[in-house]
Amino acid sequence: QKEVEQDPGPLSVPEGAIVSLNCTYSNSAFQYFMWYRQYSRKGPELLMYTYSSGNKEDGRFTAQVDKSSKYISLFIRDSQPSDSATYLCAMRTAAGNKLTFGGGTRVLVKP
Amino acid sequence: GAVVSQHPSWVICKSGTSVKIECRSLDFQATTMFWYRQFPKQSLMLMATSNEGSKATYEQGVEKDKFLINHASLTLSTLTVTSAHPEDSSFYICSARSSGPYEQYFGPGTRLTVT
Repeated sequence: QKEVEQDPGPLSVPEGAIVSLNCTYSNSAFQYFMWYRQYSRKGPELLMYTYSSGNKEDGRFTAQVDKSSKYISLFIRDSQPSDSATYLCAMRTAAGNKLTFGGGTRVLVKP
Repeated sequence: GAVVSQHPSWVICKSGTSVKIECRSLDFQATTMFWYRQFPKQSLMLMATSNEGSKATYEQGVEKDKFLINHASLTLSTLTVTSAHPEDSSFYICSARSSGPYEQYFGPGTRLTVT
């Protein structure tokens, strides 16, 4: 079993819909949680980061962390075709140096 | 967000030659830099972690003599693929981490094709 699980998709939604992404993890020591967006043939771009449990909102993006369930989510409101990309969750322990990534979810937003 | 650059963005080389890829943090000092490899439709695979002025720490299964990493300054790290073979063809991405606890930024990647 992988340390971080993420549905590979593809997740296809119509423009304007809410995109819901999530990851589950097994290591209770993870404290820092990140979401990256990666377009084809490009490096990942940091979208959101949260520490421990709680919610964080930035524009159309909302990140949620539920440490009791070992579950994190990313919501994208009013999705646009330009949001079509692969979304990677990543997490790290407080003392650790390395990020552990999920496998990525491919999202397609259709106009 | 912070900017990380990579050069070249795309390189083709012949089997047996060496290729150097540069990674620079443009507007912040990177205490740690990371090198990843990514195959099509797969997630990132960490190859090595380097701190400025120290030897890189390689992940299990990564040949340190084949993938030479130099972290000469707080803004520059290089990855040299020595004696490249077609199976080394891949997308190589560097990442740099600032002093914050979670800010880790990625470069645009370098596509290496070995013929």
